[in-house]
Amino acid sequence: EVQLVESGGGLVQPGGSLRLSCAVSGFTFSTYSMNWVRQAPGKGLEWVSYISSTGGIIHYADSVKGRFTISRDNAKDSLYLQMNSLRDEDTAVYYCARDTADFDFWGQGTLVTVSS
Amino acid sequence: SYVLTQPPSVSVAPGKTARITCGGNNIATKSVHWYQQKPGQAPVLVIYYDTDRPSGIPERFSGSTSGNTATLTISRVEAGDEADYYCQVWDSSSAHRVFGGGTELTVL
Repeated sequence: EVQLVESGGGLVQPGGSLRLSCAVSGFTFSTYSMNWVRQAPGKGLEWVSYISSTGGIIHYADSVKGRFTISRDNAKDSLYLQMNSLRDEDTAVYYCARDTADFDFWGQGTLVTVSS
Repeated sequence: SYVLTQPPSVSVAPGKTARITCGGNNIATKSVHWYQQKPGQAPVLVIYYDTDRPSGIPERFSGSTSGNTATLTISRVEAGDEADYYCQVWDSSSAHRVFGGGTELTVL
């Protein structure tokens, strides 16, 4: 059974940092590209970042470029999102999602709240 | 950047057919994917590559594209279909994944 489990969310002050993790199981992680997608309270889905299976290709949404860093550890079947210089507008549930051109499997999300 | 436009809401009576549109420039030249999201839950893929259904998704869900519009059609709508629906494409010019704004489906 494919499972994706996010962790690392919480309350952080504006300008602060947070690192999200996504632990996967049930498939060969090293052969799949992955994404982070977020959803602000009461709002729609927003794609955040993409990383290829080897980590050699990375893309970011304009809203987070230069502040967020996506990475992966294929030996640990884990995906990460390092978030720096956080802003109020980064408050959202963050999902990791497996990429097969579509997003065929999603985690349950972790809530990040940026507030003073 | 590429923009996908969805109606904010669609209402339909039980047993009828719901059609949710997703507008984008020459969207028929792209692969369109659709997701269903119920309150408090993660999104679920319901249509991929314009018309294909993942295993476990009822045949009542279908997709199509033409020109500048992609359409998710739900036949014989049930109360359990009430959810938010999002279209999504890959924009090759920016290499970004793009979501539509979402459509709230209400079953009357």
